[in-house]
Parts: sequence; structure tokens; C-alpha cells
Amino acid sequence: AQSVTQLGSHVSVSEGALVLLRCNYSSSVPPYLFWYVQYPNQGLQLLLKYTTGATLVKGINGFEAEFKKSETSFHLTKPSAHMSDAAEYFCAVRIGFGNEKLTFGTGTRLTIIP
Amino acid sequence: ETGVTQTPRHLVMGMTNKKSLKCEQHLGHNAMYWYKQSAKKPLELMFVYNFKEQTENNSVPSRFSPECPNSSHLFLHLHTLQPEDSALYLCASSRDLGGRGEQFFGPGTRLTVL
Repeated sequence: AQSVTQLGSHVSVSEGALVLLRCNYSSSVPPYLFWYVQYPNQGLQLLLKYTTGATLVKGINGFEAEFKKSETSFHLTKPSAHMSDAAEYFCAVRIGFGNEKLTFGTGTRLTIIP
Repeated sequence: ETGVTQTPRHLVMGMTNKKSLKCEQHLGHNAMYWYKQSAKKPLELMFVYNFKEQTENNSVPSRFSPECPNSSHLFLHLHTLQPEDSALYLCASSRDLGGRGEQFFGPGTRLTVL
């Protein structure tokens, strides 16, 4: 069975500092990996996704993530945090083509300190 | 209207009430989903529909009854709910099942069961 672990339910960074949100997955087959963001009172919005090909994936709002198979990780980073990045972030995994199930992590709430 | 819309945005109901949640997608997608988002828990997939046919029922109690009259509309009929059913209910759609496509989410309905 697939699963997703997000380390740290709350992360605080100063404005302008590096953002690092951690995600590890378990899967016996190559996964498709996603990061979603949820702003208050809104649904989830896709930040970026990895399916195949280049392991460093760039998304919206300056975020990027790197798929590391050896570490079963897909950590989300942004070089310089902005106040508007404050939100909840969810990592998700889908196993294999033709499988519609997305398994989500429990989320990480990102707080930006002015 | 664009994207995925959900009504109502907020709903308070007693345990004996019957209510319905509505989801509409304007993206021309063929697959639609209901998720439950509770505090401190991962998103839970409840139901999946593809071309109006239910393809997934993730062991959801019968007090939740989905309906998909066409590929653009999805309903969740609620009756005799329990307080632990209070949560944010998210609707999502995707072009088709599986593959590499992303799911697009609505803003959710915040349900409170008294």
C-alpha cells in the first residue's frame, strides 16, 4: 500500500528565508508525486507534480521539489519565503498509471514570520 | 463560473436533518471525487465517479449517499449524520481516471453536525 509522511505539522520561517517542507513516501512501484497548497477557506491548488523525466520539478509561486528515489523523498523548497506563502501544504502520491487514488499526507502548516 | 464550485460553503445541521451538498465543474472533466477533510487527519477519499458511474466507495457509511447525474454535477446527500461527521467536504474533478493528470478542487463545504 502507498503512504505519505510529512515531517512537521507546523513549520515557521522568517520572510526571505529558505522554505523546506519534507515529504517521504512508500511505494513498491514508481510513484506520481504532487504538492498541493490550501489557503484559508479555499480548496487545494496544485503547486507542482512529478510523473516521469527530470527529477527536479518547478512549480508555481517559485516553489520546486526534487524526487529522490533512493531516499523515497519529494521535499518542497522555495529559496526566499514571502508572507503570501503562509498556508497549509499537502504532499500526495498516486501509484501507477490507471490508478485514480491520491493518498495525501497530513499536511504542514507554514507560518511566515515578518 | 470557472473551475470547480461547491454549494453551500457552510452548513449547520442537526442529526435528524436531511441536506445535500452540490458540486459543479466547468472544466469538461469526466471524473469527479468527494473527499472528507478533518482536522489533524489526511484527506479521506470517499467516492469516485467516472462518466457518471461510481468506481470507488471507500467504505463510507450509508448515511452519505452520492449522486452523479452527469459528468459536470456531483451531489452528496446527507441524512442522520453524527457529530463526528463534522468536517470540510471537498469536491474535485480530473480529466479522466488515473494517468498523470491533476485533480482540481473546489473550495469545500464546511459542515457542522450538532
